Amino acid sequence: DTEVTQTPKHLVMGMTNKKSLKCEQHMGHRAMYWYKQKAKKPPELMFVYSYEKLSINESVPSRFSPECPNSSLLNLHLHALQPEDSALYLCASSPGQGRGQYFGPGTRLTVT
Amino acid sequence: GESVGLHLPTLSVQEGDNSIINCAYSNSASDYFIWYKQESGKGPQFIIDIRSNMDKRQGQRVTVLLNKTVKHLSLQIAATQPGDSAVYFCAENIYSNTGNQFYFGTGTSLTVIP
Repeated sequence: DTEVTQTPKHLVMGMTNKKSLKCEQHMGHRAMYWYKQKAKKPPELMFVYSYEKLSINESVPSRFSPECPNSSLLNLHLHALQPEDSALYLCASSPGQGRGQYFGPGTRLTVT
Repeated sequence: GESVGLHLPTLSVQEGDNSIINCAYSNSASDYFIWYKQESGKGPQFIIDIRSNMDKRQGQRVTVLLNKTVKHLSLQIAATQPGDSAVYFCAENIYSNTGNQFYFGTGTSLTVIP
């Protein structure tokens, strides 16, 4: 298995909802990432997990809560989001320093 | 994040011509670079990478050049095809004791004219 999968592909949620995005990889990669991408912009790094521990949080608001239950799974829990949080949320994994980073297809999130 | 900028936001080329996409980075500590292709509605797709101890690397129809002196990276696509139409991003890798971070440039939209 050489891919990163993400579910759901699309998500529409209200500002009072709680939802979760899921990411999975079975390549044995020990670093996993969440990015946010707005239209016509580059991906912006949100969180980095290294060996299942949160190593980097790029000053992301607390309404985004990441979780890494095991080495293959990465979740992003969403609560009380704002319309400006609507974006493509990308998950990626990497085997280690200087060895590439591989992306999933993303979840298109719309906050109403 | 670090600043990784691109010189040209859009590029149009005739099918069969060669394309060159440029990228400037600012962090001299960056030791690894990746070029990605992103098609509409999809996640970024790894194209080619290069380590800072190299100045050139070739793949199938693609070549990446790295000039550390001026902190410049380029992607050359030979015999550009309509399927190459996409947004291209460079990303720099900064490794520290807090983790392995990747920061993206602003992107260049490549349009191939049949």
